[in-house]
Amino acid sequence: DVKVTQSSRYLVKRTGEKVFLECVQDMDHENMFWYRQDPGLGLRLIYFSYDVKMKEKGDIPEGYSVSREKKERFSLILESASTNQTSMYLCASSLSVLRTSGRMEQFFGPGTRLTVL
Amino acid sequence: DQQVKQNSPSLSVQEGRISILNCDYTNSMFDYFLWYKKYPAEGPTFLISISSIKDKNEDGRFTVFLNKSAKHLSLHIVPSQPGDSAVYFCAASPYTSGTYKYIFGTGTRLKVLA
Repeated sequence: DVKVTQSSRYLVKRTGEKVFLECVQDMDHENMFWYRQDPGLGLRLIYFSYDVKMKEKGDIPEGYSVSREKKERFSLILESASTNQTSMYLCASSLSVLRTSGRMEQFFGPGTRLTVL
Repeated sequence: DQQVKQNSPSLSVQEGRISILNCDYTNSMFDYFLWYKKYPAEGPTFLISISSIKDKNEDGRFTVFLNKSAKHLSLHIVPSQPGDSAVYFCAASPYTSGTYKYIFGTGTRLKVLA
């Protein structure tokens, strides 16, 4: 079974703090994604990465950065947390199109509920 | 600009009846679609998919229908069970994107009443 783990289930931070959210997958997936989920807005893509050290902006990258130094690990960084970044953060991974046998779903971690005070 | 829309934020159904969840999209380049189920405080789990070369895909109690001309897909759950109570998201992607980047809808909360 694919396993995607996230470093914390719940996190409380103060405005202005630097926040690191870590995600690790154990299935040798090339693609990794960071989303946030907010009521009424669904899942919105923040950043994604299709290879080590590669990253692309998603739909809402402002206020965030990412790091992918190893294939299995994808980190989301809030440089200076703000209250409007209070949200559920979800990490996901998937196989590269070059390796898929037709199943193209993304596998999600359990999520990190971040509260910024 | 919401490219994938789930216009019903919530739905209540009696146990044993059919649940129908709807999803509309605007981008004609989308040709692969997924449905996910999400319980509170958990990540979404994959349910069923369909590509644009098909108009129907079944997996047990779950069937997804795709109407390309109407840019509409629906998820049917028959029979509905209390354990199906969750938020359901549809997602769409252009197959040729290469990165399997998906656009998600806003979700529909299904409540199955015992």
